[in-house]
Amino acid sequence: QKEVEQNSGPLSVPEGAIASLNCTYSDRGSQSFFWYRQYSGKSPELIMSIYSNGDKEDGRFTAQLNKASQYVSLLIRDSQPSDSATYLCAVYKDSGYALNFGKGTSLLVTP
Amino acid sequence: EPEVTQTPSHQVTQMGQEVILRCVPISNHLYFYWYRQILGQKVEFLVSFYNNEISEKSEIFDDQFSVERPDGSNFTLKIRSTKLEDSAMYFCASENRASTDTQYFGPGTRLTVL
Repeated sequence: QKEVEQNSGPLSVPEGAIASLNCTYSDRGSQSFFWYRQYSGKSPELIMSIYSNGDKEDGRFTAQLNKASQYVSLLIRDSQPSDSATYLCAVYKDSGYALNFGKGTSLLVTP
Repeated sequence: EPEVTQTPSHQVTQMGQEVILRCVPISNHLYFYWYRQILGQKVEFLVSFYNNEISEKSEIFDDQFSVERPDGSNFTLKIRSTKLEDSAMYFCASENRASTDTQYFGPGTRLTVL
């Protein structure tokens, strides 16, 4: 069974701080990695995708990928209370395009 | 901005009844998906659909489930004989893989089986 593992949290950070969210995956052949945000009772919304080792930045968000360690992370700079949500890490299942999600990390940004 | 829509937002049914969940994907998207999320659990893939046929399905997607694109706009998930454990939020997603690999999710249908 190919797994995507995340710490469930909650991760609590003060407003303005950096939030660091981590994810590990078991399938060494995985090539595509996604971070989704899910507010309570809502559907997942894509924040970022990353395919190559290293960092990818988009505004306040930075995704980091280390395929050798099978590790992907998401950094949120200048965290805002509106960032409070569950962050889902996902990889493609097998060789297709179905997403295999982790259970998500709950982030709480306190004013 | 175009978005995926789903109806109904909430469906309550009796165990053993058939339900049909409806989705209208984004108009120029060609790849369609159904996922479900049982309360408090992770989002799970059910099935993907392309070119009028199933391209992938999970072990959850057994003979009780079927999908259809009955016309040029709708994409449906049918559960033939619902069980209590089918109670979940069901998300439809669509994708235009030619330009991006972003799967856009609809708002979901909450299915409650009594």
